[in-house]
Amino acid sequence: EIVLTQSPGTLSLSPGERATLSCRASQTVSSLAWYQQRPGQAPRLLISDASNRATGIPARFSGSGSGTDFTLTISSLEPEDFAVYYCQQRSNWPPVTFGPGTKVDIK
Amino acid sequence: QLQLQESGPGLVKPSETLSLTCTVSSGSINSGGYYWSWIRQRPGKGLEWIGYIYYYGSAYYNPSLQSLTTISIDTSNNQFSLKLSSVTAADTAVYYCARFVMTSGDFDYWGQGTLVTVSS
Repeated sequence: EIVLTQSPGTLSLSPGERATLSCRASQTVSSLAWYQQRPGQAPRLLISDASNRATGIPARFSGSGSGTDFTLTISSLEPEDFAVYYCQQRSNWPPVTFGPGTKVDIK
Repeated sequence: QLQLQESGPGLVKPSETLSLTCTVSSGSINSGGYYWSWIRQRPGKGLEWIGYIYYYGSAYYNPSLQSLTTISIDTSNNQFSLKLSSVTAADTAVYYCARFVMTSGDFDYWGQGTLVTVSS
């Protein structure tokens, strides 16, 4: 089973600052996605296939990486961006696993 | 815009079977290229994939839950369902249904989630 590790566990930043979130896989993955989850809400797809913004996602969100190392960058944090972010990979079996999440909170 | 909505009991007794249904609207569950999925989130924890099903009935489950899980699909009513048997308090969670896109390997539409509590 491919295990995803996210770092840091918590990121404390101020509005306007840049956020860099990491997701590392225990083996090479065929695709990686990023989700945002605000309190009391369902997760929302942000990034597909490592670097493609989902429909309606602002340009301040970007994804990069391949193989085992991936990054989600939020160029300038808006108040609504303080949330938990999960990465998720697709592989042969089991076909889906999620990372443990990174919480971005207000400094 | 596709919508998914979970429904089912919010309280289940230990050792009984948890049953939930996801109703899909503004889109057809018969569309090829997608798996119809269940994901759960225990209180204060991360996301756990339970399993998914293709429109013609092929289902795949998380190995850790496989022996207790059944996912079925009803294309005539645009619904799919989850049954989790012999539940314990550890199955208390918010259960989400979601659509998995086969080409990109991600979940693009989610239901709002439903809290199921396992307690006597």
